[in-house]
Amino acid sequence: EVQLVESGGGLVQPGGSLRLSCAASGFTFSSYAMSWVRQAPGKGLEWVSAISGSGGSTYYADSVKGRFTISRDNSKNTLYLQMNSLRAEDTAVYYCAKFARSIAAAGDFDYWGQGTLVTVSS
Amino acid sequence: DIQMTQSPSTLSASVGDRVTITCRASQSISSWLAWYQQKPGKAPKLLIYKASSLESGVPSRFSGSGSGTEFTLTISSLQPDDFATYYCQQYNSYPTFGPGTKVDIK
Repeated sequence: EVQLVESGGGLVQPGGSLRLSCAASGFTFSSYAMSWVRQAPGKGLEWVSAISGSGGSTYYADSVKGRFTISRDNSKNTLYLQMNSLRAEDTAVYYCAKFARSIAAAGDFDYWGQGTLVTVSS
Repeated sequence: DIQMTQSPSTLSASVGDRVTITCRASQSISSWLAWYQQKPGKAPKLLIYKASSLESGVPSRFSGSGSGTEFTLTISSLQPDDFATYYCQQYNSYPTFGPGTKVDIK
């Protein structure tokens, strides 16, 4: 059974940093690209970042480019999102999601974690 | 960036109704479109990929159609478990989602 379990969310002040983790199990982690998708309270879904199966290619939404860094450790089956220079508008539930059919970072998402809430506030 | 729109934003329906949600892309995305269902406090669930392919385990009352810039999600006979918010997502380029359509009880 595929499982994605996020952790690392919490309350952080504007300008602060946070690192999210997503522990994956139930599939060959290195064979699939992974992504982070966020959802602000009461709002829709926003793609944040993606990484290829090998970790060699990374992609970012314009809203987070230069502030967030996605990475993965295939030996630990874990996906990360390092978030720096956080802003109030980054407040959201952050989901990690598995690309359904691709080792490259493009496609639909067949499995999602339960999400972790990041709140940026003073 | 490819922009996605959905209509309607809210849809009130009864159990047994046929429901259709429309999704439009700002430029052609071929058939690179997925549909998700999301319930409050839960993660999205993949229903349809490549515009019309039913994800494994999803009931056959869900169907998708379209190509290019206009797509539809149809629920042939609405069930109590189907009251939720539905999102489309394009993956012709970096993923973008539609704003969602909330299906509630009439």
